[in-house]
Amino acid sequence: AQSVTQLDSQVPVFEEAPVELRCNYSSSVSVYLFWYVQYPNQGLQLLLKYLSGSTLVKGINGFEAEFNKSQTSFHLRKPSVHISDTAEYFCAVSDTGRRALTFGSGTRLQVQP
Amino acid sequence: DTGVSQDPRHKITKRGQNVTFRCDPISEHNRLYWYRQTLGQGPEFLTYFQNEAQLEKSRLLSDRFSAERPKGSFSTLEIQRTEQGDSAMYLCASRERTGNEQFFGPGTRLTVL
Repeated sequence: AQSVTQLDSQVPVFEEAPVELRCNYSSSVSVYLFWYVQYPNQGLQLLLKYLSGSTLVKGINGFEAEFNKSQTSFHLRKPSVHISDTAEYFCAVSDTGRRALTFGSGTRLQVQP
Repeated sequence: DTGVSQDPRHKITKRGQNVTFRCDPISEHNRLYWYRQTLGQGPEFLTYFQNEAQLEKSRLLSDRFSAERPKGSFSTLEIQRTEQGDSAMYLCASRERTGNEQFFGPGTRLTVL
């Protein structure tokens, strides 16, 4: 079984500032790691994913994340946020078999002008 | 639009009534997943289909819940004798056999009065 912990339920940040959203996971098997974004009353959109290889992965909208196996972390970063980045962000893991996703409880990113 | 679609988008029902939701996955995606998302939480896995076979059901899926995927195309999720605790967003996702990304639909928001 896997579990995901998103340490911050809300992150307020000013426009054009950098941001990091933290994610830690636990699993007894190899996993794939994902970050999804959810805008109000919408489904989830994939930002980026880590499957294997380079531990630094780049995604859409200028986001990137780094997989750290020793710390079992997959933190999401963006060097300069925009108002339009205001949304709920979910970290998720899946095993390499059936690949059902286990999500964290989410982090609300609030970008202020 | 070739994305995942769900119908209806919103459903309001009275406690004790039965409801059915439909999910149309991306064509040729043979894996289909149902998740439930309550307010302020991340989605939780409910069940998983490979073609028409339901391969796994979460403990969250009580006997009042049933899901089908006839002919391996669209899927339905039925909730019998709804309870107020069933109020949530029900999300459907699909992926292709060798793919790693799940594509999510917009969800069906259920409100049980």
